[in-house]
Amino acid sequence: GAGVSQSPRYKVAKRGQDVALRCDPISGHVSLFWYQQALGQGPEFLTYFQNEAQLDKSGLPSDRFFAERPEGSVSTLKIQRTQQEDSAVYLCASSPHAGAANEQFFGPGTRLTVL
Amino acid sequence: QKEVEQDPGPLSVPEGAIVSLNCTYSNSAFQYFMWYRQYSRKGPELLMYTYSSGNKEDGRFTAQVDKSSKYISLFIRDSQPSDSATYLCAMSINTGNQFYFGTGTSLTVIP
Repeated sequence: GAGVSQSPRYKVAKRGQDVALRCDPISGHVSLFWYQQALGQGPEFLTYFQNEAQLDKSGLPSDRFFAERPEGSVSTLKIQRTQQEDSAVYLCASSPHAGAANEQFFGPGTRLTVL
Repeated sequence: QKEVEQDPGPLSVPEGAIVSLNCTYSNSAFQYFMWYRQYSRKGPELLMYTYSSGNKEDGRFTAQVDKSSKYISLFIRDSQPSDSATYLCAMSINTGNQFYFGTGTSLTVIP
């Protein structure tokens, strides 16, 4: 594929359910980022991977949020015991270089609605 | 106070107008400045990427960075209805792991 893909595109969860969001970055990209975008707001950083190493998780809002990238390619963002305030679009971005001093290419996002 | 401030608009202009979009920031360590375009229900699409101060032009788009004033701008010449979208500014530091985004400015170009 030419770009970053994310699945599912839409997810509806009942409060208290666990969800898993998948990101397929551009092939060969070293860096992978997760952002949360609330309605009418800009994306807010959640976490950063360089290959399989999670180098920064300072933006994860609580210990209910967990991310992994075990083989340095596909990444999964997991949210346990979802709450209504978790409703947002979750964006994944990848970059061919390490760190945030380079362009990031975004996927279409997963829109999560928690009822 | 947020690190990056951006007027959310909305901004409405006639086709062919010159559009000026702006962001201000507080962190003097920011060195990399980006502009993204986001259509409804889509992910952000990179428009411009600049390093430090100065101007960069790409077709109808010009990005300006004034680090002394902590102010960046995106100019769109000969605006088209297809430019109707939300425009996000983003910035980062050299050793950082994240982009800091503005809230986005909603632009509508009226035919």
